Amino acid sequence: NAGVTQTPKFRILKIGQSMTLQCTQDMNHNYMYWYRQDPGMGLKLIYYSVGAGITDKGEVPNGYNVSRSTTEDFPLRLELAAPSQTSVYFCASSYPGTSGYNEQFFGPGTRLTVL
Amino acid sequence: LAKTTQPVSMDSYEGQEVNITCSHNNIATNDYITWYQQFPSQGPRFIIQGYKTKVTNEVASLFIPADRKSSTLSLPRVSLSDTAVYYCLLLNTNAGKSTFGDGTTLTVKP
Repeated sequence: NAGVTQTPKFRILKIGQSMTLQCTQDMNHNYMYWYRQDPGMGLKLIYYSVGAGITDKGEVPNGYNVSRSTTEDFPLRLELAAPSQTSVYFCASSYPGTSGYNEQFFGPGTRLTVL
Repeated sequence: LAKTTQPVSMDSYEGQEVNITCSHNNIATNDYITWYQQFPSQGPRFIIQGYKTKVTNEVASLFIPADRKSSTLSLPRVSLSDTAVYYCLLLNTNAGKSTFGDGTTLTVKP
């Protein structure tokens, strides 16, 4: 299993440009998450999904959109990129068990710079 | 989302036991206490998770008192490679949401 994969690894955007960060998992996990991590800070939840066709906002959703058409893929869309969106973006997935156990598996991250 | 509070940083020496405490006064009934480790330029890695009492695995122990308002991650006999940021968070398995705090930077010295 490849686990959680993210593309691209690095990207530089100009202000106002748009892009999609890709995230794929091959573990058949129903839960998927997008976080951003600013330098020296913890992770902040942007959006999450508890299954195909279901998404919900996290702490910092403004400026982002997501979709979940399949169990495997959870792309994050940035519209009209701004310097404040310069960050490292992590995608994660999990499969909560009936006992409540819920381990999130993280991808390697996408480092985005908006100039 | 319930907030967690951890010390900003801790120092230790190789071979010592390290205990990192996390406060979560507003923990909900469906919240599970979860700890992650993160090295620079990597995604967080799961360490341990528990609901109440004590949980132990091959790398750590997690102590949770009866009121569940705090928890302590215990790392036995740390090495230099344990230098990392450690996050305590509450996972609400019903809602899917999770909140990472700013973590505790652990520095292990020789």
